[in-house]
Amino acid sequence: GAGVSQTPSNKVTEKGKYVELRCDPISGHTALYWYRQSLGQGPEFLIYFQGTGAADDSGLPNDRFFAVRPEGSVSTLKIQRTERGDSAVYLCASSLASGDTDTQYFGPGTRLTVL
Amino acid sequence: GNSVTQMEGPVTLSEEAFLTINCTYTATGYPSLFWYVQYPGEGLQLLLKATKADDKGSNKGFEATYRKETTSFHLEKGSVQVSDSAVYFCALVPSGNTGKLIFGQGTTLQVKP
Repeated sequence: GAGVSQTPSNKVTEKGKYVELRCDPISGHTALYWYRQSLGQGPEFLIYFQGTGAADDSGLPNDRFFAVRPEGSVSTLKIQRTERGDSAVYLCASSLASGDTDTQYFGPGTRLTVL
Repeated sequence: GNSVTQMEGPVTLSEEAFLTINCTYTATGYPSLFWYVQYPGEGLQLLLKATKADDKGSNKGFEATYRKETTSFHLEKGSVQVSDSAVYFCALVPSGNTGKLIFGQGTTLQVKP
């Protein structure tokens, strides 16, 4: 079956612009996670959805970052007034349920470059 | 707080050599432990996991044992292949948590023929 997909695969933008990154989870997966991976580092948690609601957004770095999942499936990560420090690979993952033993399946990521 | 520390890379081995990548963690209670792998040009994939103390996770010839007493989850493989060249990430989910993964910084493995 289809895995987690993310679009676009690459996004180049200018400082101060607004960007949206999309994630399509595996069908039937209720939990969805966003992570950010800087070069040479492990992924860092941003936000987690259970269904339509954001159950944990403690990893969002500031109020320029926002994410939605209005119908409990596709999610969009939105970044306002982008800064050069936002440049990273943004990863989405989904799992059948949420819990400390559930396997998360990752998408290929969106590479964001802020010039 | 919760954290994961991995050995620094890159690790360079010849084909058929024995592999160990060290991973230690800091967490309260009994976290679940994972190894993820990222092959060149591909996304993160789960390699193996262990959810309680003394459990051994295994997959594709790789193994790791959850050691509570040493707070470790070292990755091992008896005979590596060129195709094992990748970046390996150790990670944990704190016990009772909703699944938020906490990753180490990753270890690059290069296997030469």
